[in-house]
Amino acid sequence: EPEVTQTPSHQVTQMGQEVILRCVPISNHLYFYWYRQILGQKVEFLVSFYNNEISEKSEIFDDQFSVERPDGSNFTLKIRSTKLEDSAMYFCASSERSGRASGEQFFGPGTRLTVL
Amino acid sequence: GESVGLHLPTLSVQEGDNSIINCAYSNSASDYFIWYKQESGKGPQFIIDIRSNMDKRQGQRVTVLLNKTVKHLSLQIAATQPGDSAVYFCAEGAGGSYIPTFGRGTSLIVHP
Repeated sequence: EPEVTQTPSHQVTQMGQEVILRCVPISNHLYFYWYRQILGQKVEFLVSFYNNEISEKSEIFDDQFSVERPDGSNFTLKIRSTKLEDSAMYFCASSERSGRASGEQFFGPGTRLTVL
Repeated sequence: GESVGLHLPTLSVQEGDNSIINCAYSNSASDYFIWYKQESGKGPQFIIDIRSNMDKRQGQRVTVLLNKTVKHLSLQIAATQPGDSAVYFCAEGAGGSYIPTFGRGTSLIVHP
């Protein structure tokens, strides 16, 4: 069964450093998403991406964040200068369709980011 | 809205029992609802969804009920199994946005 994969599973970084979280969405999916989940809290939407551009982003997704699809398979989230409060689990997701028919977003296993 | 904290509401059931997990939503404009399951160390997994023009939808061993009058959503799991142990959360969408807003979650513990 196809699945979304994410690397690394755990990233530890110093405050102020740049990190890149990587995701390989399901191959025939066209819509890509990043979410984060601070320990014990709700899953929060960060950004959605379609046709090589951002479709929608939340207030969390400020200038420190960027996304890219550098090739036909990878989808990355970059945090330019990490802060302590960026520590969270980051989930990538992909879906075949958009709109209300896209309930079936497939999530990856997540990358746990720890900022020291 | 829901309070945010480190402790999730917990539902403990015996294997074979039916489980009912509840969710309250606050946005009257929400017209699309999804239940997700999140096992330890994994990402959320889609279980079932329902649109606001329905009040009930059934899947395999799961049923979602929607009461728009009181803005309440429930997930019923029949014959709960140990493999159902996970955190379950509802999510809502509105206005055609495909971006779900997640609730806080309920931890389901199934005892063999």
